[in-house]
Amino acid sequence: AQTVTQSQPEMSVQEAETVTLSCTYDTSESDYYLFWYKQPPSRQMILVIRQEAYKQQNATENRFSVNFQKAAKSFSLKISDSQLGDAAMYFCAYNYGGATNKLIFGTGTLLAVQP
Amino acid sequence: DVKVTQSSRYLVKRTGEKVFLECVQDMDHENMFWYRQDPGLGLRLIYFSYDVKMKEKGDIPEGYSVSREKKERFSLILESASTNQTSMYLCASTVASDSYSNQPQHFGDGTRLSIL
Repeated sequence: AQTVTQSQPEMSVQEAETVTLSCTYDTSESDYYLFWYKQPPSRQMILVIRQEAYKQQNATENRFSVNFQKAAKSFSLKISDSQLGDAAMYFCAYNYGGATNKLIFGTGTLLAVQP
Repeated sequence: DVKVTQSSRYLVKRTGEKVFLECVQDMDHENMFWYRQDPGLGLRLIYFSYDVKMKEKGDIPEGYSVSREKKERFSLILESASTNQTSMYLCASTVASDSYSNQPQHFGDGTRLSIL
């Protein structure tokens, strides 16, 4: 069965610094998708970034980028130039594809941003 | 933008009550999901639906049922609420897709349910 592991329950970063959140997963599939979602105190889950497994190039969205290591089954999120608004719970999620688009989530990492 | 609306932001109910949580999406999505979110456990899938009147159990369906009579609405039902069902409940929706084209799920704001 597929699993997603986030080993850092909490992280802290200074404003304007860079932080990396870790995520590993276990799967026997070769084609799949990985997501990072952000959940701020307002509670709405927001998609941050997405990576297709068959693409070797790491996805980037403005200050957010991923380090996708398929062989190591690792999918870390790097936040550059951290801002106070980045403070949130971050969830890594795995989707093996198919019509239902079911996601398997990690347990989350709570990121604090210090001014 | 996709809008997923959950009927209540906070809800307090008594043990043994039948509880309904409602979710509506406005983008004609085929797939809808109910998750439970607990500290340290992440999001766990309770039930999902891939079409009207079609449903499948997720990872933790015990004590819950669902209803999808219309495409835009997906209801979660706690048949007889218990204190261990106190939690945050999140609804999500997404389009159906083939194996090589996936779309992210879109979430509602969540319902924080307390069972006393």
